[in-house]
Amino acid sequence: IAGITQAPTSQILAAGRRMTLRCTQDMRHNAMYWYRQDLGLGLRLIHYSNTAGTTGKGEVPDGYSVSRANTDDFPLTLASAVPSQTSVYFCASSVAGESGEQFFGPGTRLTVL
Amino acid sequence: GQSLEQPSEVTAVEGAIVQINCTYQTSGFYGLSWYQQHDGGAPTFLSYNVLDGLEEKGRFSSFLSRSKGYSYLLLKELQMKDSASYLCAPMDSNYQLIWGAGTKLIIKP
Repeated sequence: IAGITQAPTSQILAAGRRMTLRCTQDMRHNAMYWYRQDLGLGLRLIHYSNTAGTTGKGEVPDGYSVSRANTDDFPLTLASAVPSQTSVYFCASSVAGESGEQFFGPGTRLTVL
Repeated sequence: GQSLEQPSEVTAVEGAIVQINCTYQTSGFYGLSWYQQHDGGAPTFLSYNVLDGLEEKGRFSSFLSRSKGYSYLLLKELQMKDSASYLCAPMDSNYQLIWGAGTKLIIKP
């Protein structure tokens, strides 16, 4: 792995289903983030983690949960998907929470029907 | 409150110079980042300014005025591959980047 990866690349999901988006980084970065980006809008922070074992809520956390069991992985779970969660999801990481340089994964395009 | 303003679109000619402006107001301020995002792609980091002044990185330069809540990104010797959206992102007191919709840069030959 080089950098930060996300899986799946894209997914079509029925409303009400549970879904986990995966994110893995190999840069040993302490901080990780999940964003969603809707057409014509800026990135919106869903959840973040400043270090393994801790997580925090961002701007739009409702309907999403995260865990940070180790440094490398930061999965995002939609417990019961709704159509308004249709979006492109980006995972990012940075050396520390106060760093302005974030490295982004390629994104997951999620469609909830 | 927090606010962030950038022009939605800027057009320039290949080989020319273009400046993309950003004005912001945040609750606390630590610095300001600029990112590039091509259509369908992920944002990629360009610069992070903490102190007032101009920082140059090759063809790209970024300027910050903390007292005015103002920043700009300067792109020189424009190339067609520079066609992308440019995102200004100030960092607030919670160490979170504040993102806007960005500025779409259109380059004409």
